[in-house]
Amino acid sequence: KQEVTQIPAALSVPEGENLVLNCSFTDSAIYNLQWFRQDPGKGLTSLLLIQSSQREQTSGRLNASLDKSSGRSTLYIAASQPGDSATYLCAPDNYGQNFVFGPGTRLSVLP
Amino acid sequence: DVKVTQSSRYLVKRTGEKVFLECVQDMDHENMFWYRQDPGLGLRLIYFSYDVKMKEKGDIPEGYSVSREKKERFSLILESASTNQTSMYLCASSLETVINEKLFFGSGTQLSVL
Repeated sequence: KQEVTQIPAALSVPEGENLVLNCSFTDSAIYNLQWFRQDPGKGLTSLLLIQSSQREQTSGRLNASLDKSSGRSTLYIAASQPGDSATYLCAPDNYGQNFVFGPGTRLSVLP
Repeated sequence: DVKVTQSSRYLVKRTGEKVFLECVQDMDHENMFWYRQDPGLGLRLIYFSYDVKMKEKGDIPEGYSVSREKKERFSLILESASTNQTSMYLCASSLETVINEKLFFGSGTQLSVL
């Protein structure tokens, strides 16, 4: 059964810093992996989807990488802003539409 | 943009009541999902559906049922609500294809069972 961990559990940084969020998963036979953002009390917003054949995906200040063989993905946020404060979750998909969500990293960007 | 709409933002029900949570998506997505999210336990899949009138159990289906009579609508039913079903319920949808199966979520329904 797929198990997903995210490190760190919480992170507080000053505005402008570059930061890296880590996601590890135990079963490397995945179709793809998504990164999501969740604001308090709200639903999730998909940020990036990396297919199993890809190494990375970029969207604006966000860059996600995938090392399928080692069961790792990272989300890189450049020049962080207070509006980036949220919980970030990763979710690998093993069997087509069977997403397993990590516990999330709670990010606070201080002005 | 895809819109996934959940009928209620907050809901308070009493133990034993039958509860309906409704979810509608407007982008003709084949797949629809119901998750619940609890502190310390994360998101857990309750049920999902690949097509109209089709349903599959997720990881925690006990105490729940679902209905998908139309492609755009996926309902979660709590037959007899219990206090341990107090949670945030999230609906999601996606396209059928493996290549581009981004999940789109609704805003969630915070259900309290008293």
